[in-house]
Amino acid sequence: EDQVTQSPEALRLQEGESSSLNCSYTVSGLRGLFWYRQDPGKGPEFLFTLYSAGEEKEKERLKATLTKKESFLHITAPKPEDSATYLCAVYLGGGYNKLIFGAGTRLAVHP
Amino acid sequence: EAQVTQNPRYLITVTGKKLTVTCSQNMNHEYMSWYRQDPGLGLRQIYYSMNVEVTDKGDVPEGYKVSRKEKRNFPLILESPSPNQTSLYFCASTNRGDEQFFGPGTRLTVL
Repeated sequence: EDQVTQSPEALRLQEGESSSLNCSYTVSGLRGLFWYRQDPGKGPEFLFTLYSAGEEKEKERLKATLTKKESFLHITAPKPEDSATYLCAVYLGGGYNKLIFGAGTRLAVHP
Repeated sequence: EAQVTQNPRYLITVTGKKLTVTCSQNMNHEYMSWYRQDPGLGLRQIYYSMNVEVTDKGDVPEGYKVSRKEKRNFPLILESPSPNQTSLYFCASTNRGDEQFFGPGTRLTVL
């Protein structure tokens, strides 16, 4: 069965304390992996798409990487405004909208 | 402004009373989806549509109906809501299957 697992469920960091969020997947035929940010009471906001193992993408303090079994979202010197839930999703192709989401990691960054 | 809108944003109803949640996008996207989000389970796809009059089931379609008569609109219909359909619902659209634009969400409570 296709599955996406995110860890940890929740993470508390001090401002400036770098860390990584993990998204591991067991799927057949990965076509792409997405990272989203979700603020309380809002819809997810797109961050990155990764298509192949070894690919990396960066945006401000965030950097996403992809291997054959997992993806990491690295957060460098986080600020309180980075506090949110981070979701990853895998795209399996076929039905064009077929995405499987992980349950998310709730990140809290304290000053 | 490019956006996905949903109405209503909040709804409290009773078991068995038919309801419709509307979704509209102004980006001329071909692909639209409905998701529900429950604590610890992440986003789960209910239905998706690849174009007008083309819809297909996602992972949790039971108890829901959709229609796609116009490209911009993709309403979600609950013909006989039950308490287990209490959830946070998101509509999303995309043109390419990667960057999905999500609506602001509809919080539904079924008593």
